[in-house]
Amino acid sequence: GAGVSQSPSNKVTEKGKDVELRCDPISGHTALYWYRQRLGQGLEFLIYFQGNSAPDKSGLPSDRFSAERTGESVSTLTIQRTQQEDSAVYLCASSLPGVAGGELFFGEGSRLTVL
Amino acid sequence: RKEVEQDPGPFNVPEGATVAFNCTYSNSASQSFFWYRQDCRKEPKLLMSVYSSGNEDGRFTAQLNRASQYISLLIRDSKLSDSATYLCVVNTPTSGTYKYIFGTGTRLKVLA
Repeated sequence: GAGVSQSPSNKVTEKGKDVELRCDPISGHTALYWYRQRLGQGLEFLIYFQGNSAPDKSGLPSDRFSAERTGESVSTLTIQRTQQEDSAVYLCASSLPGVAGGELFFGEGSRLTVL
Repeated sequence: RKEVEQDPGPFNVPEGATVAFNCTYSNSASQSFFWYRQDCRKEPKLLMSVYSSGNEDGRFTAQLNRASQYISLLIRDSKLSDSATYLCVVNTPTSGTYKYIFGTGTRLKVLA
């Protein structure tokens, strides 16, 4: 489809394991965002990629979290040594480049459960 | 202070009622403003942008007050299908680009 695609849609892992979440943005959208949403909570900003500029990593909660994006394509969010408090839905969104007013398009999210 | 603040609710209203949500933002340099809707266990989707002059889309009216750094959403003639969480979103310049900051959302339940 033409929307934002995320995988896996659901991931159950054991505490201490590493997980990798993937986001495929809408073609042509140079801006890409990762958010975390814990159960019953709001969206928590994690990281923002804008084209080839240095990413804004100000929302990453700890050094166990990292994200990469090659050019204007797929992004991966990696969580190392997962903890139970990492359980959440991880949402990816993309938008047109540098537009103040452009719509954010979200994927359906990756639901992570850490046992 | 949070960058974007909303009353979490829930707002429980009967069908046909009018309900208003408010949102405040802290960064006076913020450029654009939105309301998103999020249904239970779904991703957020754009409801409407908010313009300085105020704007209306059917039963929904959005207002922006830059001086007070305040955004509102009014829903008239509420329907059961309006039950959702409404997210206030602010687009704020940071390091030469723009970042979308979300409020925690206001939950609305429309009752039959």
